[in-house]
Amino acid sequence: DADVTQTPRNRITKTGKRIMLECSQTKGHDRMYWYRQDPGLGLRLIYYSFDVKDINKGEISDGYSVSRQAQAKFSLSLESAIPNQTALYFCATSGTVNTDTQYFGPGTRLTVL
Amino acid sequence: ILNVEQSPQSLHVQEGDSTNFTCSFPSSNFYALHWYRWETAKSPEALFVMTLNGDEKKKGRISATLNTKEGYSYLYIKGSQPEDSATYLCGIIQGAQKLVFGQGTRLTINP
Repeated sequence: DADVTQTPRNRITKTGKRIMLECSQTKGHDRMYWYRQDPGLGLRLIYYSFDVKDINKGEISDGYSVSRQAQAKFSLSLESAIPNQTALYFCATSGTVNTDTQYFGPGTRLTVL
Repeated sequence: ILNVEQSPQSLHVQEGDSTNFTCSFPSSNFYALHWYRWETAKSPEALFVMTLNGDEKKKGRISATLNTKEGYSYLYIKGSQPEDSATYLCGIIQGAQKLVFGQGTRLTINP
């Protein structure tokens, strides 16, 4: 079984709809992250959490919110989806040392019409 | 905002040739540099984490060097194979403890 899972894997939604992307991990890591990938722009950090009580904004948090329900779960919400939020979204986890590598989920491809 | 630059953005290399590409970053408050390999339709996977000036890491035909004083890292691939085709991402951690990625170098190996 995969260490980092994301649901759904693909989603098509309409402008103005609320949508939640979920991430679960079995690695026992405290740190979790949400990134989005757009062609030619690499990975950009949306939100990150260093433990259950810690939530931080990343580079591009506007239009998004997150919830850290447990050590193993970190969800990303789009309260009112817009077309420029169409992207590939990745969840990642890591240990607490900055030299620990990040482990990525399989990604969620979101299309907002 | 931390600016991490990777060059070139894309690269086509003949099978069997060696190649290299660059990650540039601000040298102040440097903590660590991460290299990831990202194949199409898969998730990024870690290649190296480097922290010390002059550090060199190697995994098979892939190696990396780090110069923290001038703010750059090179990734080298020796004897490129089709399975090396991927996007290679560089990420930097400064004092804020979050990883900031460059835009990646997309490598295509031509058979």
